This record gives sequence, C-alpha cells and structure tokens, in this order.
Amino acid sequence: NAGVTQTPKFQVLKTGQSMTLQCAQDMNHEYMSWYRQDPGMGLRLIHYSVGAGITDQGEVPNGYNVSRSTTEDFPLRLLSAAPSQTSVYFCASSPQGGGPYGYTFGSGTRLTVV
Amino acid sequence: AQSVTQLDSQVPVFEEAPVELRCNYSSSVSVYLFWYVQYPNQGLQLLLKYLSGSTLVESINGFEAEFNKSQTSFHLRKPSVHISDTAEYFCAVSANQAGTALIFGKGTTLSVSS
Repeated sequence: NAGVTQTPKFQVLKTGQSMTLQCAQDMNHEYMSWYRQDPGMGLRLIHYSVGAGITDQGEVPNGYNVSRSTTEDFPLRLLSAAPSQTSVYFCASSPQGGGPYGYTFGSGTRLTVV
Repeated sequence: AQSVTQLDSQVPVFEEAPVELRCNYSSSVSVYLFWYVQYPNQGLQLLLKYLSGSTLVESINGFEAEFNKSQTSFHLRKPSVHISDTAEYFCAVSANQAGTALIFGKGTTLSVSS
C-alpha cells in the first residue's frame, strides 16, 4: 500500500516552461488536494477535488490547472512557470475531505523556477 | 470558512524544558483539529488530532493538546522536550462537512538546543 505518491521529487524549470506534477493515491479516496509550502506562509491550498470530474479552486489557484479524470490521479499543471512558483508542493488525499478521517500527504515535490 | 492562527513563528527552548505551541482557530461550524509535524527536509506527519470526546488528546511521543471551545484554541504542549523534537509544527482545522479542505496555520518552528 503506497499511500500518496508524488513525482518528481525535485525539478528545476526555466521561466515560461510548462510541466505537470503527478499525484496518485491507491486508497480509493474521493478527496484530493494540492498545497504549496513557502517559508513563513504555512501550507496554502491551490486546488482540490471531491471526486472524479469535479475540481475547485483553493486559496492560491492562479497559474495552476488541475483535472481529475480518475479517482486515483490528480495532476497539477503549471502552464507557464514563474519564479514566484518556486516552492515545495504537497498532494494530500482523504476519504471524503472534511470530517474526522484525516488526510494522507505525499512526500512533496521541490520545484525551482529560474 | 475556517482559519488558523499560530501565535508564535519560532520557539527556541533548551532540552528538557517544557514547551507550548499556541494555536487559535476560527469557524462558524463545528470542526476537527489537527497538529502536524515536519522534520527537516521531510514531509508532513500527523502528530495528533481532536475529533470529539475528551478535550485532551495525546501523541505517542509525549505531546498533548487541549481543545478549548470557549477560547477557540488547540495549544500543543510537551513537559520535557528533546533535541529530536526540533521541527516545524502546523496546526490545522477541518470543518465537519464532507468535501471541505484542511486549512493550515503558518507554522511554528521549534528549536531545541542543549
């Protein structure tokens, strides 16, 4: 049982490049979400999904796209990378989001945009 | 909507001293409360959570937190810290509603020195 798997672990991008951060979970969780972690800012919600085909914006969605075609996968796309997107990105999943079930986090992707 | 305020960004303490990391939350609905820990260069780990029942919850490594509904607080305490407790600690809140996100505070860096 792998839990939440994020790939890649590290990535360096040039300004303007695009890329996709992958997130997969094998726990049949309906709820998945993406956070970015920046020093002194905690974890801020980028996008989330309550089930396949359903996504919504979080606190800091600009510059990111998501889709949820399957229950297992929730990729995060950077359309045109900017230095301000340098951050550590975490994917999390939960049986339904909210409530007492808790959230399982991936190990993170450290992204640097130069 | 929910919000979390961690009142101290950094807490330096000496080994074997007691420590308290303060967390206040705001919500118009009932909530569940969590503390996560992040050791240097690692992902997030759930330390403890309050769901219902006894307002005092404990972790396996000696931390405890007390839910105070009237003061909307969930402070984390340990009577005697170790060097190995050096980490960043995040307080988080989740509404008692399906499909809602886990909202984090900005984190408190606990630095334990000898």
